[in-house]
Amino acid sequence: ELKVEQNPLFLSMQEGKNYTIYCNYSTTSDRLYWYRQDPGKSLESLFVLLSNGAVKQEGRLMASLDTKARLSTLHITAAVHDLSATYFCAAAGGTSYGKLTFGQGTILTVHP
Amino acid sequence: DADVTQTPRNRITKTGKRIMLECSQTKGHDRMYWYRQDPGLGLRLIYYSFDVKDINKGEISDGYSVSRQAQAKFSLSLESAIPNQTALYFCATSDLASDSTDTQYFGPGTRLTVL
Repeated sequence: ELKVEQNPLFLSMQEGKNYTIYCNYSTTSDRLYWYRQDPGKSLESLFVLLSNGAVKQEGRLMASLDTKARLSTLHITAAVHDLSATYFCAAAGGTSYGKLTFGQGTILTVHP
Repeated sequence: DADVTQTPRNRITKTGKRIMLECSQTKGHDRMYWYRQDPGLGLRLIYYSFDVKDINKGEISDGYSVSRQAQAKFSLSLESAIPNQTALYFCATSDLASDSTDTQYFGPGTRLTVL
């Protein structure tokens, strides 16, 4: 059974600082997704990582995937208030191809 | 217009009532999913459908049923609602045939409260 764990679950950052959210998954997965959710809103796709060593960047966010370590990271560079949201990673693959298993979510708050 | 719509957006009901949540999409996607979101637990898959004739149970299907009326419509029913089914419910769609990443696109959600 595929399990996905994120840490930290809560992250309070100052504007301008850097930080990383970690996403560990328990069994082989052939793709890893990152989503963002604003309070009271739906989920928005950020990144899809399809292979070992994959790196995707959009603005101040960069996601990477290490399939050997079963680890994905979401790195935040020079945080700004607009990045405050809940971030989810989700893994798919193996016998659960097409189905996503989500992490618990990381609630990010960026303070001035 | 939104690509994935859910109705109702909010619903309050009583224990034992039958409830149907509806999802419609204009994206032309074959795959549709129902999730529930609970604080601290992320999203958990209830049912999924890869085409009109294909329905599969997800991680937490007990107490729920679904109907795929057409490619564009996927409904979730709670046969006899109970308080621990109070949650935020999301419908999602994807289409592996046209998008090799199989990215899922989520509807706006339905907030369900069972008293």
